[in-house]
Amino acid sequence: NAGVTQTPKFQVLKTGQSMTLQCAQDMNHNSMYWYRQDPGMGLRLIYYSASEGTTDKGEVPNGYNVSRLNKREFSLRLESAAPSQTSVYFCASSPGLGDEKLFFGSGTQLSVL
Amino acid sequence: QKEVEQDPGPLSVPEGAIVSLNCTYSNSAFQYFMWYRQYSRKGPELLMYTYSSGNKEDGRFTAQVDKSSKYISLFIRDSQPSDSATYLCAPTGPLAGKSTFGDGTTLTVKP
Repeated sequence: NAGVTQTPKFQVLKTGQSMTLQCAQDMNHNSMYWYRQDPGMGLRLIYYSASEGTTDKGEVPNGYNVSRLNKREFSLRLESAAPSQTSVYFCASSPGLGDEKLFFGSGTQLSVL
Repeated sequence: QKEVEQDPGPLSVPEGAIVSLNCTYSNSAFQYFMWYRQYSRKGPELLMYTYSSGNKEDGRFTAQVDKSSKYISLFIRDSQPSDSATYLCAPTGPLAGKSTFGDGTTLTVKP
């Protein structure tokens, strides 16, 4: 059972480039999330999808877009990367419907030069 | 002021010590209280969760919640070097997207 799978694990971008981070879960969870983690700032929610077909902004959505492709997949897109987006990105899922225990992927280390 | 304040650490203890990790929160809407453990360069993993005030024990770990004072704690008994990690408290609301994380406390258990 793979759980939550994120790709890629590492990425280096130049300022202004675009990229999409991919996430898939095989636990039949309803809700999916994208977080970023910066040193000393904990985990901050970028976007989430409470259920297939819905997406909502989290605490730090500026500069990002998301797509809930189907129940399994939730992607995060950076349209024009900036150095401030250098961070570790985690995808997570939860069963939803009142059960909000989070299951995380292994993360993507993104550097924007 | 942040919704969740966590003792910053870092914390270094000898093997076998009792460890206390603490958080306070301000939002009365939080209903569930999670603790996540994060090893270096890994994603967080759920360690403990509780839905009510009081204590919940799981092996060497005890989660304690006091809703009246908005205070949550995680105790680790007989700490082991394998417990060396960052611990994140996460009070959580009843709906999706309502987990709020503390900044984490990094624990090192020395053999």
